[in-house]
Amino acid sequence: AQSVTQPDIHITVSEGASLELRCNYSYGATPYLFWYVQSPGQGLQLLLKYFSGDTLVQGIKGFEAEFKRSQSSFNLRKPSVHWSDAAEYFCAVGAEDDYKLSFGAGTTVTVRA
Amino acid sequence: KAGVTQTPRYLIKTRGQQVTLSCSPISGHRSVSWYQQTPGQGLQFLFEYFSETQRNKGNFPGRFSGRQFSNSRSEMNVSTLELGDSALYLCASSLAPSGVTDTQYFGPGTRLTVL
Repeated sequence: AQSVTQPDIHITVSEGASLELRCNYSYGATPYLFWYVQSPGQGLQLLLKYFSGDTLVQGIKGFEAEFKRSQSSFNLRKPSVHWSDAAEYFCAVGAEDDYKLSFGAGTTVTVRA
Repeated sequence: KAGVTQTPRYLIKTRGQQVTLSCSPISGHRSVSWYQQTPGQGLQFLFEYFSETQRNKGNFPGRFSGRQFSNSRSEMNVSTLELGDSALYLCASSLAPSGVTDTQYFGPGTRLTVL
């Protein structure tokens, strides 16, 4: 069964600093990987996804993620965070011809001025 | 294009009651998935429907059920509510004839509180 681990429950970062959120997955076949963001009181918004090809994926809001098969990781990065990036971030994994996503526990990001 | 709509946004029920939540997908989307989000268990998959057929079901008791109508709108029902059913219930829609390879668009959720 597929599973996702987000080791960091909470990260605090200064505005303008870089951000990296970790995600490790467990899946036997080729995974389909996603990062979603959830602001308070909102649903989930897709930041980016990886299915195949270039292992560095660009997403919305200036985010990028790198797929590393050897490390079973799909870490999310942003070079310079803005106060509006404060939210909860979820990594998820799915499989082709599967109809569900398995989510990590989420990482809450706090941005300090 | 309008996003995924979920109604109602908030619900308060008491133990033993039943509840029905509604989800209207993005126009043209035929797949609807439901997820339960709680602080303790995180986001857990409930079920997924495509063209009125349930294609996958998560590990939830039979008290949780769903259906999809011919216009792709979906409802989920929880019978005999328990305190542990208090959660944010999220609906997502996608074109998804082949599963998760199509982007899932999430609605704002229905916040269910069971007293």
